[in-house]
Amino acid sequence: DVKVTQSSRYLVKRTGEKVFLECVQDMDHENMFWYRQDPGLGLRLIYFSYDVKMKEKGDIPEGYSVSREKKERFSLILESASTNQTSMYLCASSTPGDRWASGNTIYFGEGSWLTVV
Amino acid sequence: DAKTTQPPSMDCAEGRAANLPCNHSTISGNEYVYWYRQIHSQGPQYIIHGLKNNETNEMASLIITEDRKSSTLILPHATLRDTAVYYCIVRVHGSSNTGKLIFGQGTTLQVKP
Repeated sequence: DVKVTQSSRYLVKRTGEKVFLECVQDMDHENMFWYRQDPGLGLRLIYFSYDVKMKEKGDIPEGYSVSREKKERFSLILESASTNQTSMYLCASSTPGDRWASGNTIYFGEGSWLTVV
Repeated sequence: DAKTTQPPSMDCAEGRAANLPCNHSTISGNEYVYWYRQIHSQGPQYIIHGLKNNETNEMASLIITEDRKSSTLILPHATLRDTAVYYCIVRVHGSSNTGKLIFGQGTTLQVKP
């Protein structure tokens, strides 16, 4: 079975704290993603990575950074948390689009609910 | 990626088939139809996808019309645990849109005892 695991389901952090959200996938997928999901705004891509140590900005990278030291692990970092970063964060993974004839289905983790106070 | 239109909500009796429609009249030839669902407070769950032919897996069946302008997701025997928001998405496979996944409003399916 496909498995994307996010380390924390619920977190409460203070404004200005550095926050790490960890994600691990066991499918040997090349691509990994971080999204945030907010009511009325849908799913927004923060960053993605298509290989170890490679990263690209998504639609809303400001205030975030990422790290991918190993293929199976992709971390999202909030350098200095702010209240407008209160959200549900979703990690996902997929194969590259041109690798499999069946396409590059994106599989999601359970989500991490972050509240910044 | 093409736009999709889904009814905002549907009810289904437990044990009956749930048929969720999706309109994607502007779909292009290289766009796949994907279905995800999201149970409250959880991450989206992949259900099924297809290009032209009907598809079936252990979760559901996907029926795509011959002109590909619409599709129907079928949950053959709905249970209470199938209550969720169901999203129909069309997207191109390939690195050009890596990670781009636009969820519309979806259909809230309520399965009732």
